[in-house]
Amino acid sequence: DTEVTQTPKHLVMGMTNKKSLKCEQHMGHRAMYWYKQKAKKPPELMFVYSYEKLSINESVPSRFSPECPNSSLLNLHLHALQPEDSALYLCASSQDWRSSYNEQFFGPGTRLTVL
Amino acid sequence: KNQVEQSPQSLIILEGKNCTLQCNYTVSPFSNLRWYKQDTGRGPVSLTIMTFSENTKSNGRYTATLDADTKQSSLHITASQLSDSASYICVVSAKDGATNKLIFGTGTLLAVQP
Repeated sequence: DTEVTQTPKHLVMGMTNKKSLKCEQHMGHRAMYWYKQKAKKPPELMFVYSYEKLSINESVPSRFSPECPNSSLLNLHLHALQPEDSALYLCASSQDWRSSYNEQFFGPGTRLTVL
Repeated sequence: KNQVEQSPQSLIILEGKNCTLQCNYTVSPFSNLRWYKQDTGRGPVSLTIMTFSENTKSNGRYTATLDADTKQSSLHITASQLSDSASYICVVSAKDGATNKLIFGTGTLLAVQP
């Protein structure tokens, strides 16, 4: 299984809602990532988890809260988002985040719209 | 400042034709360079990876080149197909001690028309 899955595919939420994005991989990868991608822009790194511990937080606002319940799962909890947070949220995984040669495998993304 | 620039921004070609996409980077310390293909609304998929000592790498109809002296890379697509329509992203990996960071280019949007 060389796939990263993400749910839901699409999400529309109001600014007062609480929702979660889910990501799953069964490749035995120990590093997992969240990226945010705006239209016609490259992905921007948000968080890196290594061995289920948060290794990098790229100064992401606290309304985004990541969680790694186990080595296969990565969640992104959303609360009190702003319309400018609307974007494609990509999850990725790799064997080990410290090695630059390990390919990051990306999921299909969740298209988030904040009203 | 680490930066990856791609050209052209967008490109339209006819099915069956060849094309070449360009990538210039100023990333230090350089570790490797990947070309990714991203279909609309999907996650990027890696096409090729090249390290400092590699000049060319092929993957089917895709051939990537790397000139580490001039810090330039290109992706050549041969005999284009409609399914090649996508965004192509050049990604350079910077290795700084224990930190490994991907620097993404802005991408080239390719449209292959029948």
